[in-house]
Amino acid sequence: DTGVSQNPRHKITKRGQNVTFRCDPISEHNRLYWYRQTLGQGPEFLTYFQNEAQLEKSRLLSDRFSAERPKGSFSTLEIQRTEQGDSAMYLCASSSLFKAGRNTGELFFGEGSRLTVL
Amino acid sequence: GENVEQHPSTLSVQEGDSAVIKCTYSDSASNYFPWYKQELGKRPQLIIDIRSNVGEKKDQRIAVTLNKTAKHFSLHITETQPEDSAVYFCAASPTGFQKLVFGTGTRLLVSP
Repeated sequence: DTGVSQNPRHKITKRGQNVTFRCDPISEHNRLYWYRQTLGQGPEFLTYFQNEAQLEKSRLLSDRFSAERPKGSFSTLEIQRTEQGDSAMYLCASSSLFKAGRNTGELFFGEGSRLTVL
Repeated sequence: GENVEQHPSTLSVQEGDSAVIKCTYSDSASNYFPWYKQELGKRPQLIIDIRSNVGEKKDQRIAVTLNKTAKHFSLHITETQPEDSAVYFCAASPTGFQKLVFGTGTRLLVSP
């Protein structure tokens, strides 16, 4: 178990371009989350999946953002027509709904993908 | 939806002192309250959590208290050490361990 893996770790793009981030969760985890974090702020919820089903998407999230988890394993987050305000650290996390017979809410975060939009 | 407020935003203490960070939440249905520690350039990591059927939980130098009536919870670190320096985030989760809503963070600096 190597933990949650995200790539790329850094992405610099020009305004208007599309970017895609990938997240590989801990293998036995059935829940996967995307958060966004800007400097000096806490992680802001974007969306989450249980297996391949996207169960919730933040109402604050622009239609330019889309996420998929096609086979219930890895996930991708795509941002279309990037804007300078999209610059942030995009964090992926995974969790297991049940561990050792009990509910667990612990999120295991990846190192994040830092996006800079010029 | 849930809203979590966290205070103070920065906290400076001397090594050996205690540190207290406070959070309030808005959704009375929330029943899970974790605390995450994020060191500079690193990922957030869970340090302690508490569920709504418990008023206090301790783990060595760290403790969390929960007051459901007042909808606030606190992190207490005793005998602080320089390696405790980091940003601490509180969070709340509604029933079913769905998404976590995070506070804005407290930057703790422990001076030797």
